[in-house]
Amino acid sequence: DAEITQSPRHKITETGRQVTLACHQTWNHNNMFWYRQDLGHGLRLIHYSYGVHDTNKGEVSDGYSVSRSNTEDLPLTLESAASSQTSVYFCASSESAGESYEQYFGPGTRLTVT
Amino acid sequence: GQNIDQPTEMTATEGAIVQINCTYQTSGFNGLFWYQQHAGEAPTFLSYNVLDGLEEKGRFSSFLSRSKGYSYLLLKELQMKDSASYLCAVKDSNYQLIWGAGTKLIIKP
Repeated sequence: DAEITQSPRHKITETGRQVTLACHQTWNHNNMFWYRQDLGHGLRLIHYSYGVHDTNKGEVSDGYSVSRSNTEDLPLTLESAASSQTSVYFCASSESAGESYEQYFGPGTRLTVT
Repeated sequence: GQNIDQPTEMTATEGAIVQINCTYQTSGFNGLFWYQQHAGEAPTFLSYNVLDGLEEKGRFSSFLSRSKGYSYLLLKELQMKDSASYLCAVKDSNYQLIWGAGTKLIIKP
């Protein structure tokens, strides 16, 4: 069965360190997304990609970067982790950006920055 | 700005019916989604509406009024496993999903 996985599931890091969160999907979807989820807020879009070598900034992209070298993977990098980046991070993918296409979500990564 | 409003928390009784409302103001509209999210898990797709009216899918139904910027999710014959957060999201003019903060639904026996 096709799936979307994230690793690690939990991560504790120190302020100032670089951190990379992995996302891998076997749906063969062109579109991939990174969100963060915090209490009291809806999911907020960090970065997204519509295909290999395509990346775009979302609503809360400062301090984050992504790269898309193949269809399956969209790693998210925190260049210099800050306490404000403590959150739960979800990766998602969809077949198309069109109207009715839903997004499929990975299990999430809980990141704590101390 | 863009805004999606949902109640923060609702409580209902097992076997009953509950309606979760969502109002939105977005730049453009390309459909409204409802997702379910159990605690500590990923959101999963429940329903999609792009035209006015009611879409029924088993125990769950979703309604949309585009002129009022309003939707609701109706859950019938509530079961304990329906205890979860329900997320409303609108696809805007750029085909990006704008998300509400979610409604935590507590089911009591």
